[in-house]
Amino acid sequence: AQTVTQSQPEMSVQEAETVTLSCTYDTSESDYYLFWYKQPPSRQMILVIRQEAYKQQNATENRFSVNFQKAAKSFSLKISDSQLGDAAMYFCAYRRGDNQGGKLIFGQGTELSVKP
Amino acid sequence: NAGVTQTPKFRILKIGQSMTLQCTQDMNHNYMYWYRQDPGMGLKLIYYSVGAGITDKGEVPNGYNVSRSTTEDFPLRLELAAPSQTSVYFCASSYYNRAPSNQPQHFGDGTRLSIL
Repeated sequence: AQTVTQSQPEMSVQEAETVTLSCTYDTSESDYYLFWYKQPPSRQMILVIRQEAYKQQNATENRFSVNFQKAAKSFSLKISDSQLGDAAMYFCAYRRGDNQGGKLIFGQGTELSVKP
Repeated sequence: NAGVTQTPKFRILKIGQSMTLQCTQDMNHNYMYWYRQDPGMGLKLIYYSVGAGITDKGEVPNGYNVSRSTTEDFPLRLELAAPSQTSVYFCASSYYNRAPSNQPQHFGDGTRLSIL
């Protein structure tokens, strides 16, 4: 069975600084997708970034980028120029690539606080 | 475009009562999901559906039932509410055509359910 682990329950960053959130996963599949979701206090689940396992290039979305290390099964999220609005719970999630329902497996989450 | 709509947003139940959490999506997505999120934890899959008339169990299905009579609606039923079902419930949907597919899941705003 696949598992996702986020080993940092809490992280803190100074406004305008850079922070990296860690995520590791375990799978025997070769085809899969990885996602980072943001959950602010409003409780919404907001997609931040996605990565296809077959792509070697790391995904980027504006101030958000990932460091995808397939061999190490690591998928960290880097937030550059942190803003107060980045404060939230961040979840790493895994999905198999085949037609097995597209189910997401989530990590436990990392709560990010941003200091002004 | 409303996306994924969940009702109600909040509910308090007594032990042994039953209720249905409603979920509807207007994006013509074929896949739909129900997750629960316990305090300080990631989301866990309860049930999912790959199309009208097709449902399957996720990781934590005990105490719940679902149906999928239309593409748009995917209600979650609690028959005999127990304190262990106190949680935040999220409905999600996604579109799947063929592998590979990096389409993310779109989430509703959640239902906070307390059972006393």
